Amino acid sequence: AQSVTQLDSQVPVFEEAPVELRCNYSSSVSVYLFWYVQYPNQGLQLLLKYLSGSTLVKGINGFEAEFNKSQTSFHLRKPSVHISDTAEYFCAVLEQGAQKLVFGQGTRLTINP
Amino acid sequence: EAGVTQFPSHSVIEKGQTVTLRCDPISGHDNLYWYRRVMGKEIKFLLHFVKESKQDESGMPNNRFLAERTGGTYSTLKVQPAELEDSGVYFCASSGDYRVETQYFGPGTRLLVL
Repeated sequence: AQSVTQLDSQVPVFEEAPVELRCNYSSSVSVYLFWYVQYPNQGLQLLLKYLSGSTLVKGINGFEAEFNKSQTSFHLRKPSVHISDTAEYFCAVLEQGAQKLVFGQGTRLTINP
Repeated sequence: EAGVTQFPSHSVIEKGQTVTLRCDPISGHDNLYWYRRVMGKEIKFLLHFVKESKQDESGMPNNRFLAERTGGTYSTLKVQPAELEDSGVYFCASSGDYRVETQYFGPGTRLLVL
């Protein structure tokens, strides 16, 4: 069965510092990969996705993620964070041909001034 | 284009009562999904509709939960009777035929059972 592990439940960083949110998955078949973000008091918003092609994908708000098949990882990065990036970030996996997303536990990103 | 909408945004009920959550998917999306996040846990799949048919309901926790999608448009999720452990955030998502793998989520319904 597939699973997703977000290695950090909370990540505090200073404003304008770089950040990396880690995500590892396990699956016996090919997968699609997603990062969703939930800002305070809002719903889930799609940040970026990897379906095929280039392993480096760019999303909204300056975020990017790199798919590493050998390490079964899909880490999310931003070179310089802003206060407005404070949110909870979810990594999710969808097995190709399947319909249900499997989510990680979420990572709370806190930006300190 | 309007996104996925959910109603109500919050619901506080007592144990044993009934609650009905509603989801309106993006117009034209045949695929509709329900997910739930119980406090402190990960978001988990409940079920998937294709139009009005239940494609996969493997994530439904028990028979106190009933989901419907009459006419293949909006969906309702009824919990009857509600228990304390049903508290959490219920998310609805939809996807179209072209990019069926990309699911767009609604704002969620926060349910608190006292």
